[in-house]
Amino acid sequence: QVQLQESGPGLVKPSETLSLTCAVSGYSITSVYNWGWIRQPPGKGLEWIGTIHHSGTTYYNPPLKSRVTISIDTSKNQFSLKLRSVTAADTALYYCARQFGGWAFDIWGQGTMVTVSS
Amino acid sequence: QSALTQPPSASGSPGQSVTISCTGTSSDVGYYNYVSWYQQHPGKAPKLMISEVSKRPSGVPDRFSGSKSGNTASLTVSGLQPEDEADYYCTSYAASNNLLFGGGTKLTVL
Repeated sequence: QVQLQESGPGLVKPSETLSLTCAVSGYSITSVYNWGWIRQPPGKGLEWIGTIHHSGTTYYNPPLKSRVTISIDTSKNQFSLKLRSVTAADTALYYCARQFGGWAFDIWGQGTMVTVSS
Repeated sequence: QSALTQPPSASGSPGQSVTISCTGTSSDVGYYNYVSWYQQHPGKAPKLMISEVSKRPSGVPDRFSGSKSGNTASLTVSGLQPEDEADYYCTSYAASNNLLFGGGTKLTVL
């Protein structure tokens, strides 16, 4: 059974870097699928942040591209998100998910809330 | 690029059918067959209901179906049940390795 679990600080100061990790269990992160990050501001809709291919190639949402880095750690079977220069607008519930062909996310983590505040 | 356009709300009585639309452009929904639909209950992670316009993952009831015509994709829920009350989001691939989300539709079962 494949499971994803997000982890990271729940509070980040403005202008600093938000860093989250998604631990994958029950499946090798280097196998066929891709891996993505999606966020949801409180009371609002979902927004795709970016995706990392199992080979390491990355794809980012254009409005966020200049601030985002997604990477894979094969030794720990996990992938990570870094979002630089955060503002209050980056306050959201952050999800990691497995992505397959057709750009659909079939397995999601439970999400982790990140608040940007001083 | 702008998000895909969904109606903010939809409703139906138990047993009825309801259709939720997702409108994009000829550069996303209209060009690629990579439209997905997600169901999200309050406080829960989204759940994939439909991928590639009309493919239903294992375990999703066949009451849920997807289709596309031109720049608009649709999710139809037949035989509405109380547990279908949730938010529904569509996504579409949009070239240059970009993915768009719709704004979401709140489905109410009356």
